[in-house]
Amino acid sequence: DAGVTQSPTHLIKTRGQQVTLRCSPKSGHDTVSWYQQALGQGPQFIFQYYEEEERQRGNFPDRFSGHQFPNYSSELNVNALLLGDSALYLCASSLTFWTGAGANVLTFGAGSRLTVL
Amino acid sequence: KQEVTQIPAALSVPEGENLVLNCSFTDSAIYNLQWFRQDPGKGLTSLLLIQSSQREQTSGRLNASLDKSSGRSTLYIAASQPGDSATYLCAGGNRDDKIIFGKGTRLHILP
Repeated sequence: DAGVTQSPTHLIKTRGQQVTLRCSPKSGHDTVSWYQQALGQGPQFIFQYYEEEERQRGNFPDRFSGHQFPNYSSELNVNALLLGDSALYLCASSLTFWTGAGANVLTFGAGSRLTVL
Repeated sequence: KQEVTQIPAALSVPEGENLVLNCSFTDSAIYNLQWFRQDPGKGLTSLLLIQSSQREQTSGRLNASLDKSSGRSTLYIAASQPGDSATYLCAGGNRDDKIIFGKGTRLHILP
């Protein structure tokens, strides 16, 4: 059973460019969350998708957007890249029960390391 | 607003010692508390999850406790091994399913 898969694993962009990161959740999971982890810091919550809608959002600008597809996979898009966007981007999947309260047992992917020059 | 703090930021101990990693959180309305392990440049591996109604969880040489009243959690590692060297992150989950992470403790086990 494949866990959470993310692509690409590494990428380099220049300031002002746009980037798309992809995530396939663990089989049976329906909720995808994205996190940004700067060097030496803990992961910061970007947003969460459930039923193809953004359910929650952290303190990130509108340059960060996402999408969830009917097969539960997700994309993270970042426009107008800044040097400060260089980080490890982690995708985590989970299963949301019918009550709407998350199971909170997150399964993380290995991440996509973005370097902005 | 939930804030999670981990102390110490880094720790080095000789192999075989028992050790405790500390985590504190500001919002006692925590839904659960998770401990993760992260190897350099890698993703996160969930170690233990403690629901708000529980006080501790154990897995092998690991034991995690949760004290909501004091806003603290500890991760106890028994008989440490060089393979335990990694960064350990704790994360508080609120009912809205948002997970807030601490900055982690970098653990180095000396052979």
